[in-house]
Amino acid sequence: TQLLEQSPQFLSIQEGENLTVYCNSSSVFSSLQWYRQEPGEGPVLLVTVVTGGEVKKLKRLTFQFGDARKDSSLHITAAQPGDTGLYLCAGARNSGYALNFGKGTSLLVTP
Amino acid sequence: GAGVSQTPSNKVTEKGKYVELRCDPISGHTALYWYRQSLGQGPEFLIYFQGTGAADDSGLPNDRFFAVRPEGSVSTLKIQRTERGDSAVYLCASSLDTLSTDTQYFGPGTRLTVL
Repeated sequence: TQLLEQSPQFLSIQEGENLTVYCNSSSVFSSLQWYRQEPGEGPVLLVTVVTGGEVKKLKRLTFQFGDARKDSSLHITAAQPGDTGLYLCAGARNSGYALNFGKGTSLLVTP
Repeated sequence: GAGVSQTPSNKVTEKGKYVELRCDPISGHTALYWYRQSLGQGPEFLIYFQGTGAADDSGLPNDRFFAVRPEGSVSTLKIQRTERGDSAVYLCASSLDTLSTDTQYFGPGTRLTVL
């Protein structure tokens, strides 16, 4: 069961453009994480958000956790080819352990 | 330091065969997780260990799947009578503990192909 819905599923943009990826659910999560995954590798954690309404910035990436802790967004400013990859959101419903992942957003940034 | 390692990186087997997939977590991490990632999907939780015991195996699809972690470090995921639908990338992750904010560090995965 996919508790988290990500959109868009695919995104192809040119270098320098901005983009936003959404992660939505009807469930409340104790924390939500964003990962990036390269082909042939495991997901790598980008950020964890815990508090409703929380906003975190990581260079050109801005992450927001919804007030009700059911949704999140990832905004990338001035995308670069190095941002290409699969972006996954994952929520922890209980205190730790199993993460529920979305299907991911496959991003391609062309020069 | 060394990250999570998984062996083999690729495994091709025939339908009906038995396979074992190995995970070496980061030293000192008490929690270990197995996920399965099918093509075009996000990882799906299978089982997690806290120390030597399987604390939650609710994600295992059926009784053909079994995992052990006898000494609280290395874990082996075992699949009996493999089926074509078992083909996927099997990911292992470890974390220092099991708080929801603890980072899970993922290995590169084992790509299992069942012919």
